[in-house]
Amino acid sequence: QTVVTQEPSLSVSPGGTVTLTCGLTSGSVSTSYYTNWYQQTPGQTPRTLIYSTNSRSSGVPNRFSGSILGNKAALTITGAQADDESDYYCLLYMGSGIWVFGGGTKLTVL
Amino acid sequence: QVTLRESGPALVKPTQTLTLTCTFSGFSLSTNKMCVTWVRQPPGKALEWLARIDWDDDKFYSTSLRTRLTISQDASKNQVVLTMTNMDPVDTATYYCARQNWNDVLDSWGPGTLVAVSS
Repeated sequence: QTVVTQEPSLSVSPGGTVTLTCGLTSGSVSTSYYTNWYQQTPGQTPRTLIYSTNSRSSGVPNRFSGSILGNKAALTITGAQADDESDYYCLLYMGSGIWVFGGGTKLTVL
Repeated sequence: QVTLRESGPALVKPTQTLTLTCTFSGFSLSTNKMCVTWVRQPPGKALEWLARIDWDDDKFYSTSLRTRLTISQDASKNQVVLTMTNMDPVDTATYYCARQNWNDVLDSWGPGTLVAVSS
């Protein structure tokens, strides 16, 4: 069974740029996977950042952007801020109505 | 304003069947492209997509859990019900329902309900 992979943890300096990726154990992620990205802080419900690979959800700052980089989906944060310290999850459409979350990336801003 | 709220038992015993209800308002599940999805999250772990029911009553399930899950709707009550059979302690998690909109975005979430599985 194909698993959706994410970096378990990443860190970025305040004001810096970081790219989180979302891949597959078998195959490449393309726009056909309609990648969504969600941000979750402890004790909170997830918040949508990006949908359909690169569309920013309403109210999301433009320092968050989505793309395809090589064979993975990517979420780039440009000009990271302290309150970007969260868990980030990608969600991929696997076909036949089925979606799968990645294992999440814990982002530290320090 | 779209709202969703999960309800169900806080504790179930191993091998029992879990029944969770998602009661929503502010939208209709009969509207084209509207869906309700269930997601769970074990304590300290990742989100897991479980199941979805669509406006046309199509139903979809996680590949790994499909034999244990059933999703249904009661349109008259604005409710979606998820049942999970043969519960195990590893199924201990916060269970969320969420609206999945026409862009396939989980744009509104319930607060979640924590279900513990223990004898």
